Amino acid sequence: QVQLVESGGGLVKPGGSLRLSCAASGFTFRGYYMSWIRQAPGKGLEWLSYISSSSTTIYYADSVKGRFTISRDNGKNSLFLQMNSLRAEDSAVYYCARGATYGGNSHFDYWGQGTLVTVSS
Amino acid sequence: SYVLTQSPSVSVAPGKTATITCGGNNIGSKSVHWYQQKPGQAPVVVVHDDSDRPSGIPERFSGSNSGNTATLTISRVEAGDEADYYCQVWDSNSDHVVFGGGTKLTVL
Repeated sequence: QVQLVESGGGLVKPGGSLRLSCAASGFTFRGYYMSWIRQAPGKGLEWLSYISSSSTTIYYADSVKGRFTISRDNGKNSLFLQMNSLRAEDSAVYYCARGATYGGNSHFDYWGQGTLVTVSS
Repeated sequence: SYVLTQSPSVSVAPGKTATITCGGNNIGSKSVHWYQQKPGQAPVVVVHDDSDRPSGIPERFSGSNSGNTATLTISRVEAGDEADYYCQVWDSNSDHVVFGGGTKLTVL
């Protein structure tokens, strides 16, 4: 069965960095687009970034462009999000999600359980 | 940037029909996806590509999309349908995924 398991969240000071990971299993990871999506406490869903199956196409939301970097290792069935210059407003649960079909027009058919990031001094 | 507008809340009695809308400029030209999120859980897609239902999702969930409004309809609402619902599209002008603000469905 498809599984996405995020890790790497925690408490970090403003201006600090954190690297999130998402371990994928149960499907051919290298064949799917992947995204990171976050949800601040009590708020809605916010898409952050998207990476194509071969990493050739990458997009970022304006709110994180230049601070966050998405990457993947298809050999290790893993997705990553490097987060730098973190701010209090980056505090949220971070989800990795699989794009069901090719391209950005796709829906997300599988989500991880999320990892909590708290940015506070 | 493209904006999706959802009403913050909708209330419905059990057994009745809930209608959740998602407004956007010419949204009818886009593919709309809908997610259900219960407290403490990850979102689950209930309708994708305007009106397609994933396997395992009850037929009570249906979607439509035309003009400036997409609609998620839940028939014969049950207590277990109480959740937050989000619409989502792809904005090809900005190459961004866009989510609506979400609608909290309360079953009275």
